[in-house]
Amino acid sequence: GAGVSQSPSNKVTEKGKDVELRCDPISGHTALYWYRQSLGQGLEFLIYFQGNSAPDKSGLPSDRFSAERTGGSVSTLTIQRTQQEDSAVYLCASSLRPGTGGNEQYFGPGTRLTVT
Amino acid sequence: GDSVTQMEGPVTLSEEAFLTINCTYTATGYPSLFWYVQYPGEGLQLLLKATKADDKGSNKGFEATYRKETTSFHLEKGSVQVSDSAVYFCALSKRGNTGKLIFGQGTTLQVKP
Repeated sequence: GAGVSQSPSNKVTEKGKDVELRCDPISGHTALYWYRQSLGQGLEFLIYFQGNSAPDKSGLPSDRFSAERTGGSVSTLTIQRTQQEDSAVYLCASSLRPGTGGNEQYFGPGTRLTVT
Repeated sequence: GDSVTQMEGPVTLSEEAFLTINCTYTATGYPSLFWYVQYPGEGLQLLLKATKADDKGSNKGFEATYRKETTSFHLEKGSVQVSDSAVYFCALSKRGNTGKLIFGQGTTLQVKP
């Protein structure tokens, strides 16, 4: 079966522009996570979806960042008025059973965002 | 807050050498512990996991034991191969929580022939 897919794989944008990053989770996985991987900060949690709801948004770094999920499937992470410090690899992961012991998350290949 | 600390890298070994990558954690309660691996040009993938104290996770010749008394989950392999060259991440998640992963900073392993 298909794994987690993300698009685009690479995105170069000018400072101040808005960007949208897309994640298609594994079919049937109700939990979806966004993480950010950057040189200075390592791997950081951004937001968690259970179905279409986001009960944990604690990792979003500022109000320029938002995310939504529709139909319990595809998710979009939007960054408004991008800044250079937003440059990172954005990873999406999905899981069948969140919150239980041994919760295994399956990761997508990531979107590399470069803000110039 | 909850956190994971890994040994600094990069780690450079010769093929067939013994590998240890140290990982310690700080967390309330009883987290689940994981090792994820990122091979060059590929996405993160689960290597092994342990969900309770004294559990040993193992996969592909790698092992790690959940040590509650020392809050550690060190990764070991008896004989590394060039193909093991990758970045290794230790992580925890809290049971009954959202399942979000808290990662260590990652350790780069380079194995030379």
